[in-house]
Amino acid sequence: QSALTQPASVSGSPGQSITISCTGTSSDVGGYKYVSWYRQHPGKAPKLIISDVSNRPSGVPDRFSGSKSGNTASLTISGLQAEDEADYYCSSYTSSSKGVFGGGTKVTVL
Amino acid sequence: EVQLVESGGGLVQPGRSLRLSCAASGFTFEDSAMHWVRQAPGKGLEWVSGISWNSENIYYADSVKGRFTISRDNAKNSLYLQMNSLSAEDTALYYCTKAVGFMYYFDCWGQGTLVTVSS
Repeated sequence: QSALTQPASVSGSPGQSITISCTGTSSDVGGYKYVSWYRQHPGKAPKLIISDVSNRPSGVPDRFSGSKSGNTASLTISGLQAEDEADYYCSSYTSSSKGVFGGGTKVTVL
Repeated sequence: EVQLVESGGGLVQPGRSLRLSCAASGFTFEDSAMHWVRQAPGKGLEWVSGISWNSENIYYADSVKGRFTISRDNAKNSLYLQMNSLSAEDTALYYCTKAVGFMYYFDCWGQGTLVTVSS
């Protein structure tokens, strides 16, 4: 199972919006509604921020939103804040029942 | 409060074995699929293995298949990972995760246990 493709880095100024893409295949991202996103601050465990393509778990700010088109999913952070500086990973359910993550995107708040 | 606590990591020589454990609390463990995810130093997340609630469905990443064995004891609310024939490439922080569905998403993560394979 090949890793999903994410940009290595994305940056933005406070208050701006940024979007992180996550590209897979019809066997994972394109074939299921089970794309999830995780945020990881340095030295911390990953935390779920989006499930099922666009659902926000309780406690996650509505600045975070998810979407999907074809084999590419996207995470958008609106109103960028300093605390959003972290690594972000996408993941998808796969036809092989094996897990797959994206390579990760480092978000920098300028 | 949902809690996952990993243990068993440490420094091990190449070719040797190690067994990781994950103690779960705060949710109905016997109803949940569980997974191991690892992260090599400075690298991204890599899914390692997953096990269904009743242990009937088990899957491994190609990189560990034949060397690692995942198991669980629902009576003890515990998840395990037996790692054999370890190599430097297995050096990583190993996270225990709780899944929704078999693997729709991972809604709870432990803090991880560090495995270092070195002579």
